[in-house]
Amino acid sequence: DGGITQSPKYLFRKEGQNVTLSCEQNLNHDAMYWYRQDPGQGLRLIYYSQIVNDFQKGDIAEGYSVSREKKESFPLTVTSAQKNPTAFYLCASSIDLGAGYTFGSGTRLTVV
Amino acid sequence: AQTVTQSQPEMSVQEAETVTLSCTYDTSESNYYLFWYKQPPSRQMILVIRQEAYKQQNATENRFSVNFQKAAKSFSLKISDSQLGDTAMYFCAFMKHSGGYQKVTFGIGTKLQVIP
Repeated sequence: DGGITQSPKYLFRKEGQNVTLSCEQNLNHDAMYWYRQDPGQGLRLIYYSQIVNDFQKGDIAEGYSVSREKKESFPLTVTSAQKNPTAFYLCASSIDLGAGYTFGSGTRLTVV
Repeated sequence: AQTVTQSQPEMSVQEAETVTLSCTYDTSESNYYLFWYKQPPSRQMILVIRQEAYKQQNATENRFSVNFQKAAKSFSLKISDSQLGDTAMYFCAFMKHSGGYQKVTFGIGTKLQVIP
């Protein structure tokens, strides 16, 4: 079955540490997205990529970085510059924005 | 900038009953998409239903239907014959209809509890 796989499901980060969240899709979608979800807030866009080797900052890109070397993969690195990284992170893809997103199952990141 | 407002933080409904979740949005655009997404306790977001603004007919997907009032900028979701599996957060979302990438704006969600 086609879909988006996010790993790990839970991730713990120590202060000053960089961590990478994985997002892989086998839907053959060109566009991929990273969103952050905090309680009481809607989803906020971190980065998006419409095509391989190209990506753009979203609304809250500071402290995050991404790469898009393959169509199937769009990993997100949460750097030590992100001061409040504890949140739920969702990866999504779309073949046509008008058709809506397909989401992964998310990664819960906690700073310890 | 577009805004999406979901004014009901939490709602509950008896199993087999009907419930309506409200969503209003603010835009100066005339052509756009509207979406409802469901996030169950597993936390994977799932697209429930979508509506293109230029279509006057309200979208329907099985037990889910919308009441799209373009002039009032309202996009409510009606769930008929509610089931326990409908328990979830529901997010309304807006996107302009234009070429290239367009930002999707999400509301803050409505938590729906279906009571046996």
